[in-house]
Amino acid sequence: AQKVTQAQTEISVVEKEDVTLDCVYETRDTTYYLFWYKQPPSGELVFLIRRNSFDEQNEISGRYSWNFQKSTSSFNFTITASQVVDSAVYFCALSEGGNSGNTPLVFGKGTRLSVIA
Amino acid sequence: SQTIHQWPATLVQPVGSPLSLECTVEGTSNPNLYWYRQAAGRGLQLLFYSVGIGQISSEVPQNLSASRPQDRQFILSSKKLLLSDSGFYLCAWNPLGDAYNSPLHFGNGTRLTVT
Repeated sequence: AQKVTQAQTEISVVEKEDVTLDCVYETRDTTYYLFWYKQPPSGELVFLIRRNSFDEQNEISGRYSWNFQKSTSSFNFTITASQVVDSAVYFCALSEGGNSGNTPLVFGKGTRLSVIA
Repeated sequence: SQTIHQWPATLVQPVGSPLSLECTVEGTSNPNLYWYRQAAGRGLQLLFYSVGIGQISSEVPQNLSASRPQDRQFILSSKKLLLSDSGFYLCAWNPLGDAYNSPLHFGNGTRLTVT
């Protein structure tokens, strides 16, 4: 069964610092997808990125970047020059490419990021 | 465009009372539908998912149940609430057949407090 571990429960940084959120996953499938979601204080979950298991190319989107390494089963998320608006709980998630195509996402426990002005 | 509605936003219920949370999706057909619960320190836990009317898969045995009476309606229920049922309940959807590679779209959630 798939599993996602976010070892960092809470992180606090000062504004403009860089911060990396760790995500380690377990799966027996060769086909799978990894996701990151952001949950701001208002509660709704916002989709940030999706990466499939065959694409290890790192991705950058503005201040956000993701480092996918299959060798270590990790999909880490870095925020550069953090801002107060980045304060939120961030979830890493995994779904496997089951034969039926209907495999629900499994989420990690989340990392609460606090960016202090 | 697709939208997901979830209500109520907050709910305070006594132990032993029944529960009914409703979720509807607009602008799409045959969605996969999901109920997740977020309890303090436990992240997001999948409770139920549905790939069609009347088809419900339960991930965690408990005193909750789910039903899908219509294609775009997903209901979470309980006959008797427990204190441990307190939490933040989130409904989500993604396209049928794309469950494993399509992002989930979440509702705004229901914060349930059982007293």
